[in-house]
Amino acid sequence: KNEVEQSPQNLTAQEGEFITINCSYSVGISALHWLQQHPGGGIVSLFMLSSGKKKHGRLIATINIQEKHSSLHITASHPRDSAVYICAVSKTSYDKVIFGPGTSLSVIP
Amino acid sequence: EPEVTQTPSHQVTQMGQEVILRCVPISNHLYFYWYRQILGQKVEFLVSFYNNEISEKSEIFDDQFSVERPDGSNFTLKIRSTKLEDSAMYFCASGGSRYTFGSGTRLTVV
Repeated sequence: KNEVEQSPQNLTAQEGEFITINCSYSVGISALHWLQQHPGGGIVSLFMLSSGKKKHGRLIATINIQEKHSSLHITASHPRDSAVYICAVSKTSYDKVIFGPGTSLSVIP
Repeated sequence: EPEVTQTPSHQVTQMGQEVILRCVPISNHLYFYWYRQILGQKVEFLVSFYNNEISEKSEIFDDQFSVERPDGSNFTLKIRSTKLEDSAMYFCASGGSRYTFGSGTRLTVV
């Protein structure tokens, strides 16, 4: 069983839609990361969180430690949001990061 | 904002050749990592490095791989004798106050 699971695997949305990507994990963690990967391949860190909720622009990330679940929300989606969104966890602050399989998002104008 | 830089961005090499992938982590970070992503697959951990030694390595990180921090700023991954299946995107990361990934080196073995 994978330690980090994401749903959906693929997502197509109309521009302006509210988007939610879900992540569940099976290990004890100290931090959960949401990352973005564009077709060029580079990885950009969006959020690192260990509790509660964080917001940056149109992106919101939440985590429920008891349920071992996190969500990434995108409000007012835009075609430039099209990318692969990856959930990843680390067991301690300086431990390796365990990656989920990613969610491929396509936002259509 | 400080970045992790990786060079080259793309490298093509002949099977059996040695390659060195280079990374410059964020200067005050103490923990360094290499990951790889084979096309179409998820990112996998290779090795972590702290205090000038390997702190953890995965099953993938066999004897053909080595890491080094030669001069206090660079962090390198060497693949001694490349195989076709080493073709992948290789990411460096550094950790300190925050965790930061480099933009990756795409290695193509022909």
